[in-house]
Amino acid sequence: GAVVSQHPSWVICKSGTSVKIECRSLDFQATTMFWYRQFPKQSLMLMATSNEGSKATYEQGVEKDKFLINHASLTLSTLTVTSAHPEDSSFYICSASDVLGPRGEKLFFGSGTQLSVL
Amino acid sequence: SQQGEEDPQALSIQEGENATMNCSYKTSINNLQWYRQNSGRGLVHLILIRSNEREKHSGRLRVTLDTSKKSSSLLITASRAADTASYFCATDEAGTALIFGKGTTLSVSS
Repeated sequence: GAVVSQHPSWVICKSGTSVKIECRSLDFQATTMFWYRQFPKQSLMLMATSNEGSKATYEQGVEKDKFLINHASLTLSTLTVTSAHPEDSSFYICSASDVLGPRGEKLFFGSGTQLSVL
Repeated sequence: SQQGEEDPQALSIQEGENATMNCSYKTSINNLQWYRQNSGRGLVHLILIRSNEREKHSGRLRVTLDTSKKSSSLLITASRAADTASYFCATDEAGTALIFGKGTTLSVSS
């Protein structure tokens, strides 16, 4: 099946620094990628939808200036957590939509990034 | 935003028993999917059922969908310790992003 590579798998950073997470579709083109956040023992919450070549659409309550999303190509989307604080510590997961698949069906997930902010 | 609501929140069973999890959602959907997540790891896609389907099987998994009640169930038969994980239903919203339910934590003891 299709593969979505996400890295780093985990990152520890100091409060106030920025962290970049990459999400790559390895063997398919993804015009749309999604970013989710998951706090311990909770479900995945959709943060934003990114479309190649355009600005991301953020869900209500998600600060676009804090969570910068760039989707510069059909195979790469990045999420940058700017000026990270301990409350940003979470598990972040990306998913990519195969342009060739029926809408809403061909979604593939990365393995996630555990962010810990000290 | 969350669309699906699973119950029970937690389920503990013995190996060999069947596990049933339920999911309810609020709006119209094109499809509903079930995922498994082992602790602290990524998602594993289990099964997809379309809105015009009522039941689907995959190995030891059986999924039903009742669009009139906006609900779905996931049955795992003859459970194994390796089935211990969190299970989430997810529905498509506007045909693109998946919206996940709160999940059911399944614990299978040997």
